[in-house]
Amino acid sequence: GAGVSQTPSNKVTEKGKYVELRCDPISGHTALYWYRQSLGQGPEFLIYFQGTGAADDSGLPNDRFFAVRPEGSVSTLKIQRTERGDSAVYLCASSPEDRGNEAFFGQGTRLTVV
Amino acid sequence: AQSVTQLDSQVPVFEEAPVELRCNYSSSVSVYLFWYVQYPNQGLQLLLKYLSGSTLVKGINGFEAEFNKSQTSFHLRKPSVHISDTAEYFCAVSKTGGGNKLTFGTGTQLKVEL
Repeated sequence: GAGVSQTPSNKVTEKGKYVELRCDPISGHTALYWYRQSLGQGPEFLIYFQGTGAADDSGLPNDRFFAVRPEGSVSTLKIQRTERGDSAVYLCASSPEDRGNEAFFGQGTRLTVV
Repeated sequence: AQSVTQLDSQVPVFEEAPVELRCNYSSSVSVYLFWYVQYPNQGLQLLLKYLSGSTLVKGINGFEAEFNKSQTSFHLRKPSVHISDTAEYFCAVSKTGGGNKLTFGTGTQLKVEL
């Protein structure tokens, strides 16, 4: 079956612009996670959704970052007033309700802020 | 809070030789432990996980890992590597009992040479 899908795969934007990154989880998975992976680092947690609600947003670095999951499926990560330090690969993962500790990852969106 | 240390950023090894990738963690609460692999231009894929029970866990592609609570380690091993094992390997932990966010190490690049 289809895995976690992230679009776009690559995004180049100018400093100060607004960007949206999309994640389509595996069908039926209730949990959805966003991570950010900077060059040479492991992924860092940003936010976790259980259904439509954000169960844990403690990893969002500041109020320029926001994420939604209005219907409990697709999620969008939104970044306002982008800065060069936001450049990274943004990873999305999903988990089924009954195996909450196994996360299935998408291929990521590489964001470059110039 | 949890933290994960992968001391080796790169591990070169010849094909058919054994390999061990080291992982140590720190946590004030019980954790689940994971190893993920990231092949070039692909998403993270779960290799194996320890949730409970036997401390020796076997994963895909002939990999295994042993949970050592007293040494807070979860080293990954393979008795004979192949060229196709060349990839980045990440160790990760999550708290038991809810809150499924993963804390990752910085990764170990395994390079298998002929």
